[in-house]
Amino acid sequence: DAKTTQPPSMDCAEGRAANLPCNHSTISGNEYVYWYRQIHSQGPQYIIHGLKNNETNEMASLIITEDRKSSTLILPHATLRDTAVYYCIVRVVPSGNNNDMRFGAGTRLTVKP
Amino acid sequence: GAVVSQHPSWVICKSGTSVKIECRSLDFQATTMFWYRQFPKQSLMLMATSNEGSKATYEQGVEKDKFLINHASLTLSTLTVTSAHPEDSSFYICSAIRGDQPQHFGDGTRLSIL
Repeated sequence: DAKTTQPPSMDCAEGRAANLPCNHSTISGNEYVYWYRQIHSQGPQYIIHGLKNNETNEMASLIITEDRKSSTLILPHATLRDTAVYYCIVRVVPSGNNNDMRFGAGTRLTVKP
Repeated sequence: GAVVSQHPSWVICKSGTSVKIECRSLDFQATTMFWYRQFPKQSLMLMATSNEGSKATYEQGVEKDKFLINHASLTLSTLTVTSAHPEDSSFYICSAIRGDQPQHFGDGTRLSIL
């Protein structure tokens, strides 16, 4: 699976959009970009994933550059409850025994009042 | 709602005892489950892949005789930390695959060995 690079920490004002970047310059054509977050003392929570098109759901939007070498997770109106560590993971779609999700260091997002 | 349940959420025990942690998939069958360990201020590290009806696959550096994994049914995997010592204190998290959906994680078990 391709390696990802994320800033170690970011701050965001409550109510503003939080834009979390992720670099994955070695991504392969069949690899997806997944985003999870982990609130303190909880298990990771799935947010969104995509291959090459931008994606949006009730939690966030995912913007993937045309060359797919980087992406941005957008939380449109951050709240204090969005304070968490956000993980960007690049991997192929799970199949057979190739199902595990491997985590990097992530970005610690702090939403401030 | 939660699709993967872990029990217990917190356990404290004496050094030398064995501790069992359960991971259940709720309302779906999971042929494969995963066990992770997370030390304070660090990321999740995959320990092993648990396959129903067969032996678990352990990551390099994880002692299989220390961390016993049993996946006896399609909805339950257990992790037993044998002869636990203070250095085994950590946050243990399981996850499961539901069809072609992204991986679902439990809420973790915080293990403290005195």
